[in-house]
Parts: sequence; structure tokens; C-alpha cells
Amino acid sequence: GDSVTQMEGPVTLSEEAFLTINCTYTATGYPSLFWYVQYPGEGLQLLLKATKADDKGSNKGFEATYRKETTSFHLEKGSVQVSDSAVYFCALYSGTYKYIFGTGTRLKVLA
Amino acid sequence: DTAVSQTPKYLVTQMGNDKSIKCEQNLGHDTMYWYKQDSKKFLKIMFSYNNKELIINETVPNRFSPKSPDKAHLNLHINSLELGDSAVYFCASSRGTSADTQYFGPGTRLTVL
Repeated sequence: GDSVTQMEGPVTLSEEAFLTINCTYTATGYPSLFWYVQYPGEGLQLLLKATKADDKGSNKGFEATYRKETTSFHLEKGSVQVSDSAVYFCALYSGTYKYIFGTGTRLKVLA
Repeated sequence: DTAVSQTPKYLVTQMGNDKSIKCEQNLGHDTMYWYKQDSKKFLKIMFSYNNKELIINETVPNRFSPKSPDKAHLNLHINSLELGDSAVYFCASSRGTSADTQYFGPGTRLTVL
């Protein structure tokens, strides 16, 4: 079945450091891909998405490119802030109203 | 205006009790979901409904019974609560198309003692 694999956390960075959170997927066809962010005590909210190969999603300085050759959708940000501390989830649309989420990667940014 | 709301936010109860969690969305979406998030933040879909019709039931014990009285509401009733049911439960909604964004509620933290 379809699956999403994310790098294990936690990831701890200093403010202004470069961020990469790896995400790879297994699916039939070319599913839509998403990154969601969960701040402490809150529900998930969409960060960015991409619907086809080579699409780049971007929002709030975060970017991810849909790479079908490597089945990856890695999340990047050039300069993280303390306010980016959260849990990040990679997800795909598996069809028939079903989304599959990765295990989440906790990011902690230190001032 | 809250897009997806859940009540209650916290629920503490004894093993064997029956409890309900309510969810409402004011986005006009056709599809609603329940997810369970465990202590390690792993998020797993439980149910999805489209136009009040059950679409997905992910091998959830039949102690869990969702009910959708209309497209804007999806409630979750849990019978005979067990320790392992302790988790955060999230409701979400979407328009129902393949690339659609899901909008999540704030979650209900259920603790079974």
C-alpha cells in the first residue's frame, strides 16, 4: 500500500540555520503531496503542496519540490526562526478520500 | 470565525465509560474525517465521510461509531473506553477532491484512566 517515510527527529537548529526535512513516498501513480505543520497544542495546518511532478510548493519561506524520479518531497528553508519550532508532517493523497501521513518530524529552533 | 471546531478540548474519563466528541465545520466542505494521534505524534486516519456517507473505516474497533447528521457535522461516539484509546483525536474537512487541503480542528485530548 501507499506510504510516507520521514526522517526521524527531533531536529535541533540554531536560528538562521538551513533546514532540510527528508520525505520519501511509495505510491501507485503520481499522488498529490503535502507538508503540514503542527504548532504546540494546535491542529495541523497546510504549509504547502504540489500536485504533479516537478511542481514546487512554497509558503512562508519553506519550499518542497515533487521529484518523481526519487519519489521525494523534501522540505527546505534557508533561514529558520524560533517561531518555526513545530512538528512537520509529510503526506500524500492516496485516493478515495484517504490521506497518508508520515510519522512527523519535530523541529526545535534555538535563539 | 473557527473553520473546524471540536468539543470538548479535553476529556478525562474512566475505563468502561462511553463518551462522544463533536465536530463542526463552517467551510461548506463535503468531506469530513477523524484522525487519531498517539503520544509519538503518529497520525492515523480512522474514518472519512463524504456527503454524510461513510467512505473509509480503517479497521477501527466497532466500539468507535461515527455519525454524520448533516454535511457540516461529524461526531465520534466511543463505547466501553479502554486505556489504549487515550490519544488526541482530530477532526478535519476538505472539499473532497484529490489535491484538496484538509482543514483540521484543534483536537480533543482524551485520557482514559
